[in-house]
Amino acid sequence: NAGVTQTPKFRVLKTGQSMTLLCAQDMNHEYMYWYRQDPGMGLRLIHYSVGEGTTAKGEVPDGYNVSRLKKQNFLLGLESAAPSQTSVYFCASSPTGRRNEQFFGPGTRLTVL
Amino acid sequence: GQSLEQPSEVTAVEGAIVQINCTYQTSGFYGLSWYQQHDGGAPTFLSYNGLDGLEETGRFSSFLSRSDSYGYLLLQELQMKDSASYFCAVRDKDSSHKLIFGSGTRLLVRP
Repeated sequence: NAGVTQTPKFRVLKTGQSMTLLCAQDMNHEYMYWYRQDPGMGLRLIHYSVGEGTTAKGEVPDGYNVSRLKKQNFLLGLESAAPSQTSVYFCASSPTGRRNEQFFGPGTRLTVL
Repeated sequence: GQSLEQPSEVTAVEGAIVQINCTYQTSGFYGLSWYQQHDGGAPTFLSYNGLDGLEETGRFSSFLSRSDSYGYLLLQELQMKDSASYFCAVRDKDSSHKLIFGSGTRLLVRP
């Protein structure tokens, strides 16, 4: 079991460029989440999904889009990157009935210049 | 809305006991969780309290008092590897699919 994996691990973008972060989980979890974490701060929820084909907004959704075409994958897109989106992005998943226990991927460190 | 408060930093000596407090405000309540995160690493789940009382898992225990909107994480027999950030998180009725995280407590364990 690989658990939750994220691609890429690091990325540097220029302002205005676009990119997609990929999250994959092999635990057959229904729920998946995207968070960002800024230095010295907690995790803030960007978007989440309660099942294949569904997505919903979290606390800080502006500037991001997501898709969950397959149960095991959750994609986070930045259409036009801004320096304010420089952060560490974590994907997580959780099983039905245990939504307080989330399993996190290793993170993607994104820098927008 | 929801808010959580926890101390920003705690320092303790190896072998000692340390308690990290968390107070929360939510419109409803579906439980308090704790996560550990080492520098450069991913958060990992430590414990969950849905009801009042103490939950014990090895050297770590977590406590909840719903009437006081308060919980704590207790770490015993501290080891150097326990140096990390610890986050409390709540899930409330209005947004039951979402966990809201506190800003974290950085624990430094000294020899």
